[in-house]
Amino acid sequence: GAGVSQSPSNKVTEKGKDVELRCDPISGHTALYWYRQRLGQGLEFLIYFQGNSAPDKSGLPSDRFSAERTGESVSTLTIQRTQQEDSAVYLCASSPERVNQPQHFGDGTRLSIL
Amino acid sequence: GQSLEQPSEVTAVEGAIVQINCTYQTSGFYGLSWYQQHDGGAPTFLSYNALDGLEETGRFSSFLSRSDSYGYLLLQELQMKDSASYFCAVRGALENRDDKIIFGKGTRLHILP
Repeated sequence: GAGVSQSPSNKVTEKGKDVELRCDPISGHTALYWYRQRLGQGLEFLIYFQGNSAPDKSGLPSDRFSAERTGESVSTLTIQRTQQEDSAVYLCASSPERVNQPQHFGDGTRLSIL
Repeated sequence: GQSLEQPSEVTAVEGAIVQINCTYQTSGFYGLSWYQQHDGGAPTFLSYNALDGLEETGRFSSFLSRSDSYGYLLLQELQMKDSASYFCAVRGALENRDDKIIFGKGTRLHILP
């Protein structure tokens, strides 16, 4: 596609439910990143993929968070048993390769936990 | 540890010049990037410095001094549309780990008419 696409754009759910966020990177981009941004805050690195592998999962806040990528394309970020502190905008970015390449961001998924 | 420091807010007048500083501390270093984010929007890439010196792209310039672990973004001929948050990001290395990208908390730039 022309840019990074994320869905849904907004998600409201009850505490304790599971949610799945989707990211479609720019075609051909091998690196894919997930970030969390709380209101008025910076970008918190969660995880990145090189191809379908995730060399660095150190940013995932807890074992309730998981992510996968298939076909060196679409990625999903899953949050299980959501908590109110999970409320944030979840941003996905992709780049042609990992080193020295600018990241192209999607518009994010705004997640609200009631 | 590793960290990035940048001012939380900066205010400047339309048509003026403003500099946003970023200092970093990482175990290794591969480059400093700058991103712009308007309210409700996605971050967009502005510039990247891997070597010391100044990189110029139109009204925006970015500077890096690796010996000082310091960089800045310079915005000239400020326009109202430049009102946004600006993030520095460092690609650094942790001991015994692959490198990772660390973003600063962002600098909110207010432009006054």
